[in-house]
Amino acid sequence: GQNIDQPTEMTATEGAIVQINCTYQTSGFNGLFWYQQHAGEAPTFLSYNVLDGLEEKGRFSSFLSRSKGYSYLLLKELQMKDSASYLCALRSGGYQKVTFGTGTKLQVIP
Amino acid sequence: DTGVSQNPRHKITKRGQNVTFRCDPISEHNRLYWYRQTLGQGPEFLTYFQNEAQLEKSRLLSDRFSAERPKGSFSTLEIQRTEQGDSAMYLCASSLSGSNEKLFFGSGTQLSVL
Repeated sequence: GQNIDQPTEMTATEGAIVQINCTYQTSGFNGLFWYQQHAGEAPTFLSYNVLDGLEEKGRFSSFLSRSKGYSYLLLKELQMKDSASYLCALRSGGYQKVTFGTGTKLQVIP
Repeated sequence: DTGVSQNPRHKITKRGQNVTFRCDPISEHNRLYWYRQTLGQGPEFLTYFQNEAQLEKSRLLSDRFSAERPKGSFSTLEIQRTEQGDSAMYLCASSLSGSNEKLFFGSGTQLSVL
């Protein structure tokens, strides 16, 4: 099976940088997603990491270490609209099922 | 292409009734997922199709839940003899096998069981 751990809540200040961590245990790792979900809306794709290292996409970056079972999402120059839940998700197993963590609710304050 | 479409958006039903939800994925996508989400939680995996084949079903899912994707296009999720604990948002997502295979989600069906 899979086990995904993320902090439940975080608070950060507008304009700052925040790092949201995700640790996981799984067999048959294929890749790791980060999704953003605003309250009352469907999740939207942010990033997908297959290999170790950092991938940067504008204000958002995602890091993966497969040997440590660890990933983080880095958000720079925080804006109020970044207040949302951030979901870490694993693709794993022979059928490549995608399993989500419980999500980290980020509140950006002025 | 208007993305993943789910119907209905909202469903209110009485305990013990059967309900059916429909999901129309992005047309070229061969993979289709069903998830259930309650407030403050991440999406919980229910089941997964590749084309018309149901590859995996959550062990947590009771026999009251069944899903089909008869022609490898749209899918239906049926819940029989609904219980109050079934109240949740039911999300459908689709993806295309290959590159990064990101999931595109529909807006979901909010089920309330009274």
